[in-house]
Amino acid sequence: DTEVTQTPKHLVMGMTNKKSLKCEQHMGHRAMYWYKQKAKKPPELMFVYSYEKLSINESVPSRFSPECPNSSLLNLHLHALQPEDSALYLCASSQDTGTYNEQFFGPGTRLTVL
Amino acid sequence: DAKTTQPNSMESNEEEPVHLPCNHSTISGTDYIHWYRQLPSQGPEYVIHGLTSNVNNRMASLAIAEDRKSSTLILHRATLRDAAVYYCIPSNTGNQFYFGTGTSLTVIP
Repeated sequence: DTEVTQTPKHLVMGMTNKKSLKCEQHMGHRAMYWYKQKAKKPPELMFVYSYEKLSINESVPSRFSPECPNSSLLNLHLHALQPEDSALYLCASSQDTGTYNEQFFGPGTRLTVL
Repeated sequence: DAKTTQPNSMESNEEEPVHLPCNHSTISGTDYIHWYRQLPSQGPEYVIHGLTSNVNNRMASLAIAEDRKSSTLILHRATLRDAAVYYCIPSNTGNQFYFGTGTSLTVIP
């Protein structure tokens, strides 16, 4: 199974809501990533987890809270978002954080903040 | 982080070869060069990667300059399904991917 799954596919939330995005892989990968992609722009790295520990936070606002409860699962908790946070949120995984490793991307969750 | 420069857009006729260039003059000695492509409304898809030598796989070939400051992705026979945005990404320590603006490839039937 070489697939990264993301749920939900689409999410609409208000600025006062709390919601979570979920990402799952069953390839035994020990590195997982969150990216944000605005329309017609390239993906931007948000967080990197290595062996279930947060290793990189690209100065992301605290209204985005990542969590890696186990090696297969990565969550992104959302709270008090702004309309400008509307974007495609992509999850990826790789064997580990070695530079030679291919990253496998999920299809993304399209988030709309009203 | 190594910065990349790619043409904003390119066109190719169907079944013709396509050469997509990338300049990464600030790449460090241990950064691999990854190429990904992204179709509309999909996540990026791996195409190929390499360090110093030219690389081939079933999708494409990667030609890396001897000084590693540039590389070229070669699609041997473009098909309509190859129309996508192509990104070259030097991966640094920690396998962090910093995407540039990429090249939007249009394939003309």
